[in-house]
Amino acid sequence: KAGVTQTPRYLIKTRGQQVTLSCSPISGHRSVSWYQQTPGQGLQFLFEYFSETQRNKGNFPGRFSGRQFSNSRSEMNVSTLELGDSALYLCASSTKQGLYGGLETEAFFGQGTRLTVV
Amino acid sequence: KNEVEQSPQNLTAQEGEFITINCSYSVGISALHWLQQHPGGGIVSLFMLSSGKKKHGRLIATINIQEKHSSLHITASHPRDSAVYICAAPRGRDDKIIFGKGTRLHILP
Repeated sequence: KAGVTQTPRYLIKTRGQQVTLSCSPISGHRSVSWYQQTPGQGLQFLFEYFSETQRNKGNFPGRFSGRQFSNSRSEMNVSTLELGDSALYLCASSTKQGLYGGLETEAFFGQGTRLTVV
Repeated sequence: KNEVEQSPQNLTAQEGEFITINCSYSVGISALHWLQQHPGGGIVSLFMLSSGKKKHGRLIATINIQEKHSSLHITASHPRDSAVYICAAPRGRDDKIIFGKGTRLHILP
């Protein structure tokens, strides 16, 4: 059974550009949640999607957006990139809508996309 | 002050030692997760617990909801346990996940 796949694994962008990250969940999983990890702030919750609907959202500016497709694949977009957006972006998938905020025992994480903004 | 505090931040121990990592939180939560992150970024969800104790192999997690404290124990530690351990919980008032800063564990052979 394939795991959670995130693409690309590494990305370098320039300030002001926009970027789209992709997350393919485990087959049959309908919930996808996104997280940002930086050395200073640690892990922070971005948003969670279930059945193509955003169910919960963290405290990030509107430059951060996402969507989920009918096949449960999810994309995350960051517009007008800032240096502080450099981070590891992780997604996780699970079978159920996050009863506990998008992270359940059976949540499986991808390897992440490391975004560097220069 | 962070809503979720972990201690210690860094821990180095010899193979075979009993390891304890602590997580305290200041907000209302209904459950808490322990995550393991290996170098390279991959995260594994270890436990989700809302009361009492759970055991999986050499890992034991406990939680006291009233005291707002959880611990992760590793018995007979092994170098392959070297990783960052992170506690996470959904904040009661808005269900958003909040994370501890992590404990970096290094087990020496």
